Amino acid sequence: QVQLVESGGGVVQPGRSLRLSCAASGFTFSSFGMHWVRQAPGKGLEWVAVILYDGSIKYYADSVKGRFTISRDNSKDTLSLQMNSLRPEDTALYYCAKDAMYNWNYMDVWGKGTAVIVSS
Amino acid sequence: DIQMTQSPSSLSASVGDRVTITCRASQGINNYLAWYQQKPGRVPKLLIYAASTLQSGVPSRFSGSGSGTDFTLTISSLQPEDVATYYCQKHNSVPLTFGGGTKVEIK
Repeated sequence: QVQLVESGGGVVQPGRSLRLSCAASGFTFSSFGMHWVRQAPGKGLEWVAVILYDGSIKYYADSVKGRFTISRDNSKDTLSLQMNSLRPEDTALYYCAKDAMYNWNYMDVWGKGTAVIVSS
Repeated sequence: DIQMTQSPSSLSASVGDRVTITCRASQGINNYLAWYQQKPGRVPKLLIYAASTLQSGVPSRFSGSGSGTDFTLTISSLQPEDVATYYCQKHNSVPLTFGGGTKVEIK
């Protein structure tokens, strides 16, 4: 079955870095756009970043632009999010989500998320 | 950037009631709107895309309508398992902004 499994979350000090990963299975990973979406504790959903099916185009939310980098390895069916210069406001559950198409539209499959806590 | 505003932020209704949630875009987005359901402690689930197209497997009591700037999600007969927070999301262009959410509870 279609599955996304995130990993890499944890507790990190402000200003430090963390790298999240998402392992995809059950579908042709290289054919679909992929997203990161986050949800702060008790808050709503916030779209973070998207990457085109072939990795050639990436877009970011203003709140993370210049600090986060989305990437993918289609040979390993893996999506990544490199998070630098982390801030307390980046504390959230980070979801990996599959786009329904090759670019950026709506998300039809979601992982269970990995928690990131930024605190001194 | 286009802002997405949902109303109400929460509602309480009885089982069997018709429930309507609205989502307004600050600029026109044609029909590029999706709705998600997030049950307590669970992962978001796609309900509707392109404003009115029901995702496979979603009960027919859910429906969506609208175009341009004003959209609605309707639950024709509220069921106990529909207790959740519902989010709209524009999908015409980046950023793929979500609305603030509407929490639906049973009265």
